[in-house]
Amino acid sequence: NAGVMQNPRHLVRRRGQEARLRCSPMKGHSHVYWYRQLPEEGLKFMVYLQKENIIDESGMPKERFSAEFPKEGPSILRIQQVVRGDSAAYFCASSRAGNTDTQYFGPGTRLTVL
Amino acid sequence: EDQVTQSPEALRLQEGESSSLNCSYTVSGLRGLFWYRQDPGKGPEFLFTLYSAGEEKEKERLKATLTKKESFLHITAPKPEDSATYLCALSPREYGNKLVFGAGTILRVKS
Repeated sequence: NAGVMQNPRHLVRRRGQEARLRCSPMKGHSHVYWYRQLPEEGLKFMVYLQKENIIDESGMPKERFSAEFPKEGPSILRIQQVVRGDSAAYFCASSRAGNTDTQYFGPGTRLTVL
Repeated sequence: EDQVTQSPEALRLQEGESSSLNCSYTVSGLRGLFWYRQDPGKGPEFLFTLYSAGEEKEKERLKATLTKKESFLHITAPKPEDSATYLCALSPREYGNKLVFGAGTILRVKS
């Protein structure tokens, strides 16, 4: 039973480029969450999505960041015009249901902005 | 503002030396408390979920407990492979489904 899958595992971008991070939830899971772990900081919530719906984006920066979870295919976290401060590990998690259901995490995508 | 504080920040143990990690919290309402283990360069690995004060969960050398103000992760007779960062996360009732993480405790077990 495959876990949460994320790709790419490592991504290098130059300032001003776009970064696209993909996440496929565990089989049977329809809830997806994105978290960011900045160097020397803890995990911070960014956004919570269900299929074709953004449920909570209260942790998402207002500009340059967007997320989607289409009816078919993986969830995508998109960062436009990346800056050095976007360098971090981005983790996706999924759960079977919302509320108190356990969130299972993927291996993360490590974004480096040159 | 809701807070999650983990202590100590780092802990060094000899193999077989039991100890406890602490997660204290201040939230207006708690739906669940989660413990994860994170190895360097990897994603958090789920360990336990606790829902109410007095609840306990066990898995191999680990035991998690919950009170109204804090949770403990007890490690009995640890081995070097238990070395990792242990993360505590809350699901506060007023925050929807997001998890609020503590900074973690870095555990090193020497043989």
